[in-house]
Amino acid sequence: KAGVTQTPRYLIKTRGQQVTLSCSPISGHRSVSWYQQTPGQGLQFLFEYFSETQRNKGNFPGRFSGRQFSNSRSEMNVSTLELGDSALYLCASSLSGTSGSGYEQYFGPGTRLTVT
Amino acid sequence: AQRVTQPEKLLSVFKGAPVELKCNYSYSGSPELFWYVQYSRQRLQLLLRHISRESIKGFTADLNKGETSFHLKKPFAQEEDSAMYYCALSWAQKLVFGQGTRLTINP
Repeated sequence: KAGVTQTPRYLIKTRGQQVTLSCSPISGHRSVSWYQQTPGQGLQFLFEYFSETQRNKGNFPGRFSGRQFSNSRSEMNVSTLELGDSALYLCASSLSGTSGSGYEQYFGPGTRLTVT
Repeated sequence: AQRVTQPEKLLSVFKGAPVELKCNYSYSGSPELFWYVQYSRQRLQLLLRHISRESIKGFTADLNKGETSFHLKKPFAQEEDSAMYYCALSWAQKLVFGQGTRLTINP
């Protein structure tokens, strides 16, 4: 079974621009979560989607948004980029995102975003 | 607030020695806890979860609700165990991660 894929793998943007990152979950997985990983803050939860609905959101400004499509693929968007948005953005998928075996999250390789 | 603490940023042990990576959590309900591992140049992957109570790659972790701990242990470290280890707590469709411990196994 193919793993979680993320595109692009690397991205360089300028302050003020916007960016869209894409995530394709494992086939059959309906829950997609996004995390930001930085050396200072570690892994922080951004949001989670299930069946095209956002079920939970982390403590990030409104510039960070996401969506999920009917095929469970997900995108996240960051508008008006700031230098502090430079990070590795990880996507994870799971069967249902709820407790039990449905909650085992499988991570993608990440998108490395650099804001200059 | 839900929180996961891994007190050691770095841990270095010799091959064949026992390993213990510490994890403490704060959570008011019944926690669901995981250990994730990230080997060099590889993606983050699930190592084990407390519900399954299984041993993966020789690692085990026991949930101690009294001490709110979920320490990861292995009796005999191997060089291939060198990696970054993250303890995580699931809550409200999200994972709350600790800061991670970089484990280095010396030959």
